[in-house]
Amino acid sequence: EAQVTQNPRYLITVTGKKLTVTCSQNMNHEYMSWYRQDPGLGLRQIYYSMNVEVTDKGDVPEGYKVSRKEKRNFPLILESPSPNQTSLYFCASSSLHRNRDYEQYFGPGTRLTVT
Amino acid sequence: GENVEQHPSTLSVQEGDSAVIKCTYSDSASNYFPWYKQELGKGPQLIIDIRSNVGEKKDQRIAVTLNKTAKHFSLHITETQPEDSAVYFCAATFTGNQFYFGTGTSLTVIP
Repeated sequence: EAQVTQNPRYLITVTGKKLTVTCSQNMNHEYMSWYRQDPGLGLRQIYYSMNVEVTDKGDVPEGYKVSRKEKRNFPLILESPSPNQTSLYFCASSSLHRNRDYEQYFGPGTRLTVT
Repeated sequence: GENVEQHPSTLSVQEGDSAVIKCTYSDSASNYFPWYKQELGKGPQLIIDIRSNVGEKKDQRIAVTLNKTAKHFSLHITETQPEDSAVYFCAATFTGNQFYFGTGTSLTVIP
């Protein structure tokens, strides 16, 4: 089954304790992206990646890091989480074929709480 | 960067009625406008999209219209059913890499 998986689905942590949220897709997609979803703000893009070793900032990259060492994986790293990073996080992937239709496939989400 | 505004934030309709959600965008260079449906506890899922060279697109009960001059696009759902109840997001992009989403519309279809 074609899918985007995220782990963990739920995470409660404390301020300053480094954490990583993993994202993996099995569709051989070149493009992957991270979003955060907050009430009243919709989805905001954090980082995206066009391919292995190619990453770019989205609209709200502060406080986050990403890496793309393998095509299927795109982990989101919070080096020193703060309470304002409490949010629902989504990973998404998309194909970059010539006739790319820009459709993004989203993972199930990771609900992060930073106390 | 791009700014996408979405209205209304909540919408209740009777089953069988139509629902319309509207979005405006600021960057005239944006050329792809998807609509996503998010059910409770799940990630968003694409339901329909439109490119800037098309004015309208329809898929069964769902349609999207685009007015490039006014920089707004709308989602139309006809003959609504309870399973249409969800949060809907519009989005815009120019490059297909950076996406800007609206703030979402919570649609409730009352049986």
